[in-house]
Amino acid sequence: QLLESGGGSVQPGGSLRLSCAASGFTFSNHAMSWVRQAPGKGLEWVSGISYSGDTPYYADFAKGRFTISRDNSNNTLYLQMNSLRAEDTALYYCAKDYSTVAIDWYFDVWGRGTLVIVSS
Amino acid sequence: DVKMTQSPSSLSASVGDRVTITCRASQSINTYVNWYQQKPGKSPKLLIYAASSLQSGVPSRFSGSGSGTDFTLTITSLQSEDFATYFCQQSYSTPRFGGGTRVDIK
Repeated sequence: QLLESGGGSVQPGGSLRLSCAASGFTFSNHAMSWVRQAPGKGLEWVSGISYSGDTPYYADFAKGRFTISRDNSNNTLYLQMNSLRAEDTALYYCAKDYSTVAIDWYFDVWGRGTLVIVSS
Repeated sequence: DVKMTQSPSSLSASVGDRVTITCRASQSINTYVNWYQQKPGKSPKLLIYAASSLQSGVPSRFSGSGSGTDFTLTITSLQSEDFATYFCQQSYSTPRFGGGTRVDIK
């Protein structure tokens, strides 16, 4: 129901744009988030966006470097990542917020993730 | 910014055991805590939301409790498919996860 793409290997300072294609639910009714997991590490929330796309939210490490957006007409979530650092290396998951319209900040549907490797 | 401290970081248990994992928030967060299970190579799965509500389809041997700063995930009668890593997460503010608890076979 959530399929991420756009990951890959990039040099430090480079950029990537992740996409998440949603299906099987009314995408435009749910807030969405990106959560990442560095190899062998725990989960770390990266960014979230309201159901309408009007309000983005970012973890401190993402502010000024990452931009979240969504296209409700195409059921797709995006994460533009600039000025990438080695510590951004992780599997990036797309996750659906539980409730409709309101932001609950917990996630009942997750994608399989797309791997981002930042290395010279 | 609400931080979550999860313990233990790992534990060994046998099938049939009762397992308890705890999470402590850096400030009072009412019941804004959720629990996830993650198996190797898989995406996280929501088990418990709002501290004690069981997600649809999750077996009743999983339960959550707590409010304020201290929260618990309990698995009664551990099954073989429950060997996994468990994460707590606060949803009082923008999300933060605990460090995780790996449950493996004794």
